[in-house]
Amino acid sequence: ELQLVESGGGLVQPGGSLRLSCATSGFNFSSYEMDWVRQAPGKGLEWVSYISGSTITIYYADSVKGRFTISRDNAKNSLYLQMNSLRAEDTAVYYCARVFRNEDNRRYFDYWGQGTLVTVSS
Amino acid sequence: DIQMTQSPSSLSASVGDRVTITCRASQSISTYLNWYQQKPGKAPNLLIYAASSLQSEVPSRFSGSGSGTDFTLTISSLQPEDFATYYCQQSYSLPRTFGQGTKVEIK
Repeated sequence: ELQLVESGGGLVQPGGSLRLSCATSGFNFSSYEMDWVRQAPGKGLEWVSYISGSTITIYYADSVKGRFTISRDNAKNSLYLQMNSLRAEDTAVYYCARVFRNEDNRRYFDYWGQGTLVTVSS
Repeated sequence: DIQMTQSPSSLSASVGDRVTITCRASQSISTYLNWYQQKPGKAPNLLIYAASSLQSEVPSRFSGSGSGTDFTLTISSLQPEDFATYYCQQSYSLPRTFGQGTKVEIK
């Protein structure tokens, strides 16, 4: 069974750091691009970051650029998000999502984790 | 960045109604458009990819259309389990932006 399981969320003070993990199973992890998407309480979905299967290509939303770092360990089938200099506006449920690329080069999120809540507050 | 604008932001409908949600991109994205359904406390679920292709196991009452900048998601006959929030998302370029969501509520 294909699974994505996030962990590492919690309560952190403004300016603090947190590292999220996304453990995956049931598919060839290294062959897939992966993204992080977040959702602030009561708000819509916000795309956060992308990493290619080989880790050669990485991209961030402007709102987190310079503060967040995406990485992956293909040997451990795991995705990570290191979050530094956290702000109140980073409070959200963070989802990892698998990017499926079909034969027409269309990309979409076909599997998502259950999410992990990050709360930035003093 | 490509901006995605959905309308309406919310709607009230009855079981059996035909429902249409619109998504507009700030520039042409061909058919690089996906639709997701999200229920409270749950992760989003893919419904439609490439503007009009139905994801496996998604009921056929869901359909998508459009290309360029204007897209629609249609639910042909609303069922009780369809009350949720729907998001469009462009995959034409990074960042992969989402629309602000459309909440479908019970009338």
